Amino acid sequence: DADVTQTPRNRITKTGKRIMLECSQTKGHDRMYWYRQDPGLGLQLIYYSFDVKDINKGEISDGYSVSRQAQAKFSLSLESAIPNQTALYFCATSDIAGGQETQYFGPGTRLLVL
Amino acid sequence: GESVGLHLPTLSVQEGDNSIINCAYSNSASDYFIWYKQESGKGPQFIIDIRSNMDKRQGQRVTVLLNKTVKHLSLQIAATQPGDSAVYFCAEKWGAGNMLTFGGGTRLMVKP
Repeated sequence: DADVTQTPRNRITKTGKRIMLECSQTKGHDRMYWYRQDPGLGLQLIYYSFDVKDINKGEISDGYSVSRQAQAKFSLSLESAIPNQTALYFCATSDIAGGQETQYFGPGTRLLVL
Repeated sequence: GESVGLHLPTLSVQEGDNSIINCAYSNSASDYFIWYKQESGKGPQFIIDIRSNMDKRQGQRVTVLLNKTVKHLSLQIAATQPGDSAVYFCAEKWGAGNMLTFGGGTRLMVKP
């Protein structure tokens, strides 16, 4: 979905390096999420934010940090990358309408940690 | 190539046939369910959703069935087309303040 963009789309880094993945959205949604996807597994929630001043840990937050710089921007950082953080990373946004919440995903960032 | 879903269960169907993708969810308190489609190299895309007070919902060529008794969700795709080839995920949620939990996914392959 072009309304949710992620940069970079692909990244190769070395163990111990700090890297940042960026997410921007033009949908005007308050809620933003970072997920990780590994082969054969579904999406695992890393962190989420319900508004600019709200940051919450998901199920696999260890080794990651986030920053919600503005409503439209939510960045994910790996302070010291390790090989088992090699995965696909997806950002998502959501809005609640009529009691239903639908998440809209970005195109993903493929990260390889050597 | 795309490494996501390398070891996923796979459903192979002939073009034009109907497809049924199944999902067993974990929480009997879940009250909202979504099916997502993920094409190679792309993020998941919303297909259809259903609330727990319903047992069936139809969209364009897709139908979602919910059986709360056995905690089972299915996605039916009518007249499957090559463009339907993708990995399909179900997701469940309970409560407004809680997060979606995603299933492991099923790869649908459509044979021409």
